[in-house]
Amino acid sequence: KQEVTQIPAALSVPEGENLVLNCSFTDSAIYNLQWFRQDPGKGLTSLLLIQSSQREQTSGRLNASLDKSSGRSTLYIAASQPGDSATYLCAVTRYSNYQLIWGAGTKLIIKP
Amino acid sequence: KAGVTQTPRYLIKTRGQQVTLSCSPISGHRSVSWYQQTPGQGLQFLFEYFSETQRNKGNFPGRFSGRQFSNSRSEMNVSTLELGDSALYLCASRDMAGTEETQYFGPGTRLLVL
Repeated sequence: KQEVTQIPAALSVPEGENLVLNCSFTDSAIYNLQWFRQDPGKGLTSLLLIQSSQREQTSGRLNASLDKSSGRSTLYIAASQPGDSATYLCAVTRYSNYQLIWGAGTKLIIKP
Repeated sequence: KAGVTQTPRYLIKTRGQQVTLSCSPISGHRSVSWYQQTPGQGLQFLFEYFSETQRNKGNFPGRFSGRQFSNSRSEMNVSTLELGDSALYLCASRDMAGTEETQYFGPGTRLLVL
C-alpha cells in the first residue's frame, strides 16, 4: 500500500531564506509526483509535476527533485517571500490507475 | 480559459439528508476527479470520470456516487449524510488528449453536516 509522508508538518522561517520541504513515499512504482500549494479555504494549485523518468523540475524560484529508488522528493524554495505562505502538498500517481495518493502537507509560514 | 468551477461553494445540511455538488471542468478537459479533504484524513480520492464513464473509484461507501454528462460537467451525490461527511470537496479536471497530466483544481465546496 502506497503511503506518502511529508516532513515537517509545519515550518516558520524569516523572509528571504531558502528552504526545503520533504516528501517520502513507500512504493517506488509511481507514474509521477506532483507538488501542490493550497491557500486557506481554497482549492489546490499545481506547482510542479515530475515524471517517474525525470530527476527534477524547475519553475521560477521552485525546484523539485525526485529520487524514486529512495522514495523521496524535495521541494526547494529560494528566497522565500511572505506570499509563499501556504500549505504545500505532494502527491504520487499510481501506475495502475490515475489515483493520486496524498501526503498530509507542510504548513509554511514566511515571516516578514 | 476559465478555470474549474464548483457550485455551491458552501452548503449546510442535516444528518440524513442528501446533497448534490456540481463541477464544471476546464473547457476541453474530459476527465474529472473528486476528492474529499478533512483535517483528520487529509485528501482522499473519491472517483474519476472520463467520457461519462467512471474510470476509478476510491474507498468510500456507496452513499457517495457521481456521474458525468456529455459536456464533461460532473455531479457528486452523497445520500444519507453523516456528521463525518463534513469536509471540503474538491474536483479536478485534466486534459487527457495529449501529454498534459496536471490536474487543475476548483475552489471546492465546503459541506457542513449538522
